[in-house]
Amino acid sequence: GQNIDQPTEMTATEGAIVQINCTYQTSGFNGLFWYQQHAGEAPTFLSYNVLDGLEEKGRFSSFLSRSKGYSYLLLKELQMKDSASYLCAVPPYGGSQGNLIFGKGTKLSVKP
Amino acid sequence: GAVVSQHPSRVICKSGTSVKIECRSLDFQATTMFWYRQFPKQSLMLMATSNEGSKATYEQGVEKDKFLINHASLTLSTLTVTSAHPEDSSFYICSASDSLNNEQFFGPGTRLTVL
Repeated sequence: GQNIDQPTEMTATEGAIVQINCTYQTSGFNGLFWYQQHAGEAPTFLSYNVLDGLEEKGRFSSFLSRSKGYSYLLLKELQMKDSASYLCAVPPYGGSQGNLIFGKGTKLSVKP
Repeated sequence: GAVVSQHPSRVICKSGTSVKIECRSLDFQATTMFWYRQFPKQSLMLMATSNEGSKATYEQGVEKDKFLINHASLTLSTLTVTSAHPEDSSFYICSASDSLNNEQFFGPGTRLTVL
């Protein structure tokens, strides 16, 4: 089966760095996604990792360790607008990347 | 990036009525679209996979006769909530992937409130 774990909530200060962790268990593996979701809105794509290592994209970076079933999303130079839920997601059964199993999301609050 | 639209963005209906939600890929063809449901403070849950020209595949626990899905063209999928009840009130989100990359594009969502 599939299982995805993320912290429920995190708080950080504007300008700081925050790391949001995600652990997963899947029958197979075909990549891991991170999405950002503001309240009442649909998720927006942040990153996709299929190989081990760190991928950097501006202020956001995502890391994957397949052997550990672990990923993290790193947000630098936090801004107030980064306050949102961050969802970790994987395709089920290592299959198509079309449908995704989502974690419950980590609600990040950025304070001045 | 590719754009997916949903209509309506918000709907309020009476218990027992049916509601249709449209999902469109505006600038790409999507042979497969996905319908998710999200209850307050919970994550997205996949309801069904919509395949163009064939029957949808429903996830366990989702009633196919209650949530009717039609994928009549490569750019349009519809979800009809039949005989809606207050417990069906939720945020319904569709998504689609193009064939070029691994990114999944989400529609803006439809907020359904059943009175």
